[in-house]
Order: sequence, then structure tokens, then C-alpha cells
Amino acid sequence: QKEVEQNSGPLSVPEGAIASLNCTYSDRGSQSFFWYRQYSGKSPELIMSIYSNGDKEDGRFTAQLNKASQYVSLLIRDSQPSDSATYLCAVNMGSGGSNYKLTFGKGTLLTVNP
Amino acid sequence: DTGVSQDPRHKITKRGQNVTFRCDPISEHNRLYWYRQTLGQGPEFLTYFQNEAQLEKSRLLSDRFSAERPKGSFSTLEIQRTEQGDSAMYLCASSPQGVETQYFGPGTRLLVL
Repeated sequence: QKEVEQNSGPLSVPEGAIASLNCTYSDRGSQSFFWYRQYSGKSPELIMSIYSNGDKEDGRFTAQLNKASQYVSLLIRDSQPSDSATYLCAVNMGSGGSNYKLTFGKGTLLTVNP
Repeated sequence: DTGVSQDPRHKITKRGQNVTFRCDPISEHNRLYWYRQTLGQGPEFLTYFQNEAQLEKSRLLSDRFSAERPKGSFSTLEIQRTEQGDSAMYLCASSPQGVETQYFGPGTRLLVL
């Protein structure tokens, strides 16, 4: 069973702090990793994708990937109350070139307190 | 680029009834995916189309579920003889050729009474 694990939270941080969200995955051959944000009652919204080991920065968001440890994380700097949402880690565990299905974790609920 | 659209946004039905949902992907996205999400869980993969070909179906997709994408554009997901356990958010996503990033529609929330 190929799995993606996330702490369900809730993770609570004060406004302006750094929020750190973590994800581990079971399939060592996985190559593509995504973070989605989901507000309550809404659909997932793509924040970042990462494919190579190391860090990838986009504005206040930084994704970090360590394939040897099968670990991917998302850092949110200068957290804002509008960042309060569930963050979903998704991994493409497809074995073939035509298989792009995503396996999602259960998500981590982040609350940013003003 | 108007984004992925889904219709209806909400559906309430009685157990045993059939329901059909529609998804219109982003224009020229040849890959289309269906996922199901229940409360407190991440989306779970149901099925995937490349153009009009259905390339993979999850074992979650019982015989009561069928999906089509007849002309490689919009897709429909039908659930026959609905059960209370089918209550969930049904999400559609699309991606263009050669790109793994998937963009989700607003979802259809199904409640089976």
C-alpha cells in the first residue's frame, strides 16, 4: 500500500511566525511532489510543486525535498491569518510514463492566530 | 483560461437513485482525473483519462460507478443505486500533455439520504 503521511494537526502559529508542515511517503521511486492548500468547504488549490532534492522558494513559501529520507516539507514565512487552511501533500507514485495519479495525505490543519 | 468547472456544485439524493456529475477541464488539457474526498481525508484517486481513453480505474470505483469522456473534452461520472457511503466531495482535475501538475475544479458535494 503506497502511502503519504502527514500530521493532522491542528498546527497553531502566531501571525508573522514560520509555519512548518511535514510529509513522508512510502514509495522510494516517487519523483513528483506537490503541496495544495484547501480552505474549508473548497477544493484543493496548488501552492507548489517540487521534483529535485533541495529547496524551492516561491514568495513566502519554501518547499524542501529529501528523497533519501522520503520526506518533503513546506515552510510558510510571515504567516498570515489568511494562510489558515488545510495543507495537503500529494505524491505522484505512478510507475509508468503515462501514470500521473496523485496520492494525497490526510492534510494538516494550520491555524494562524492574529 | 476559465479553470476546471464542475456541475452541479451540490447534489442531494435519496438512497438508490442514480446521479451524474459533469466536469469540463481547462481548455486543451488532455488529461482528466476524478477524485473523491470525504471529511477529514485527502482526495482519493478514482479514475483517469488521457483524451477519450480511460487509462486507470481505482479499486474504489465499484461496478456502480462509471465514467466517460466521449470526445476527449468534458467527462461525466455516474453513480448508480447510490448508497449513504457515497456521500462525499467529488473532485475533477485536469493537466496538459507532459505536465504532472493537476488543477482542481470546485467539486460536486453529494449527500445521499
